[in-house]
Amino acid sequence: GAVVSQHPSWVICKSGTSVKIECRSLDFQATTMFWYRQFPKQSLMLMATSNEGSKATYEQGVEKDKFLINHASLTLSTLTVTSAHPEDSSFYICSASYPNEKLFFGSGTQLSVL
Amino acid sequence: QKEVEQDPGPLSVPEGAIVSLNCTYSNSAFQYFMWYRQYSRKGPELLMYTYSSGNKEDGRFTAQVDKSSKYISLFIRDSQPSDSATYLCAMSQGRGGSEKLVFGKGTKLTVNP
Repeated sequence: GAVVSQHPSWVICKSGTSVKIECRSLDFQATTMFWYRQFPKQSLMLMATSNEGSKATYEQGVEKDKFLINHASLTLSTLTVTSAHPEDSSFYICSASYPNEKLFFGSGTQLSVL
Repeated sequence: QKEVEQDPGPLSVPEGAIVSLNCTYSNSAFQYFMWYRQYSRKGPELLMYTYSSGNKEDGRFTAQVDKSSKYISLFIRDSQPSDSATYLCAMSQGRGGSEKLVFGKGTKLTVNP
């Protein structure tokens, strides 16, 4: 299957700092990438849809000024958690659409805000 | 009523057992149905991808979709300890590439040696 690389796999930061998470499609061009958030024992909740070269579309209740998404190329999307707080601690996962219309996921990033 | 319902389990079976995992949904517009396997603190891995009603088999895995009942299933034959993971059903109205998926909560499966 297609490879979606997500980095870093885990990050610990102080409250008030910003954290950037990268999502790369390694062997295909992803016109659309999705960002999800997952709390323990919960399902994936879609945060935003990212299309290359355009502004991201955020789901209801997701603060666009807090979760900045940039999809600057067909192989890279970034999620920046700005002014992170302990309640932002979660598992963040990106996914990218594959040309045959299947969706593949990155390995996830565990964010812990102290 | 949630769009997708999935029993979170946990489900514990002995090695070699047949496992049945299920999801129900309420949105009749869903046409694409997927099963993902997720190991702890990892991203989901696509197992099965089906369109509309019917069966699809891939090795020890069989996916079934019954749109009339709004019910999908994943069967795992000859289950192995390595199958221990959380299984997520997902579905979308349009083709998965650019359509957002709606996920079930996931069922945690443990296969005991």
